[in-house]
Amino acid sequence: GAGVSQSPSNKVTEKGKDVELRCDPISGHTALYWYRQSLGQGLEFLIYFQGNSAPDKSGLPSDRFSAERTGGSVSTLTIQRTQQEDSAVYLCASSSIGNEQFFGPGTRLTVL
Amino acid sequence: AQSVTQPDIHITVSEGASLELRCNYSYGATPYLFWYVQSPGQGLQLLLKYFSGDTLVQGIKGFEAEFKRSQSSFNLRKPSVHWSDAAEYFCAVGSNTNAGKSTFGDGTTLTVKP
Repeated sequence: GAGVSQSPSNKVTEKGKDVELRCDPISGHTALYWYRQSLGQGLEFLIYFQGNSAPDKSGLPSDRFSAERTGGSVSTLTIQRTQQEDSAVYLCASSSIGNEQFFGPGTRLTVL
Repeated sequence: AQSVTQPDIHITVSEGASLELRCNYSYGATPYLFWYVQSPGQGLQLLLKYFSGDTLVQGIKGFEAEFKRSQSSFNLRKPSVHWSDAAEYFCAVGSNTNAGKSTFGDGTTLTVKP
């Protein structure tokens, strides 16, 4: 079956512009995570959605970052007024509750 | 709150040598435990997982891990390392409670010497 997909695979933007990153989770997975991974670094947790519960936004680094998940499926991560330090690979993962996470290929964001 | 500690940031082993990567977790109930691998330029892949039952679990690529409740540990082992095992390894803890959220450790980078 289809895995987790993310788009775009690469995004180059200018400092100060807004970007939207999309994640299509595996069908039926109620949990969805967003992470950020800078070059050579570990996974930085950003946000967690589980079913209809309020999302866990505890990892969002600033109010420039937001995410939504529509209809319990597709999720969009939005970064407003991008900064150079936002450059990283943004990873999305989905799972059934408590179970292993399936990761997408990531979106590589470069802010010039 | 649940948390995971991987004490070793970087480990170097010779090809053919044995490997043990450490993982300690903090969680108030019986945890679900996972090990993932991220090879250079690749995505994250599940190596193995523990939910319940036999505390020694086998995974892909010849890896195994042992759950030790008394030590709050879930160390990853491999008897003979191959050059292709060079990668970043992440331990994670979760459950079907606490809203089901899983938490990752900071990872251990494995270098394999020829």
